[in-house]
Amino acid sequence: DAGVIQSPRHEVTEMGQEVTLRCKPISGHDYLFWYRQTMMRGLELLIYFNNNVPIDDSGMPEDRFSAKMPNASFSTLKIQPSEPRDSAVYFCASREQGGQPQHFGDGTRLSIL
Amino acid sequence: QKEVEQNSGPLSVPEGAIASLNCTYSDRGSQSFFWYRQYSGKSPELIMFIYSNGDKEDGRFTAQLNKASQYVSLLIRDSQPSDSATYLCAVKGAGSYQLTFGKGTKLSVIP
Repeated sequence: DAGVIQSPRHEVTEMGQEVTLRCKPISGHDYLFWYRQTMMRGLELLIYFNNNVPIDDSGMPEDRFSAKMPNASFSTLKIQPSEPRDSAVYFCASREQGGQPQHFGDGTRLSIL
Repeated sequence: QKEVEQNSGPLSVPEGAIASLNCTYSDRGSQSFFWYRQYSGKSPELIMFIYSNGDKEDGRFTAQLNKASQYVSLLIRDSQPSDSATYLCAVKGAGSYQLTFGKGTKLSVIP
């Protein structure tokens, strides 16, 4: 079975540009999570969806960040405008109903210059 | 705010020894506890989960949970150099679908 698929794997862009990160969860998984990982703050939950509906976005740092899940097989995390402090590894994870553990994608390493 | 604390390490152990990784959590209502392994430059990978007080064994790995002390640990027996990684403790609260992660403990197994 294919795991969680994220794209791009690496993104380097200049400050002020719009960045869009993409995620395809494991088929049949009802929950999708977006995380950000930095050395200073560790792995932080940004937002999660259940059945394509955002449930908790309290971890989204600012209005510059937005996330959507238009269908069960696709989600995006957008940063506009991007800033150097947004540089981090962004992970997407998914899980089934019923207490199953989360499975992570390979992440997107984002560098904002 | 729910917190999960881990010693950042690095924890160095010789090959063949037992590595002991510890984690404490602040939310007394937490119900599920997970250990993820993360190699440098890779994504977190689930290795163990535990729901009930006591020990749970899976091969060389043993997870231990003490809810009264709000403490969870991971023991790795017969440590191998391939076990060298950062180990993340994650906690799920009651009625919640999200995990709170610790910052991880870096383990180095010396050949």
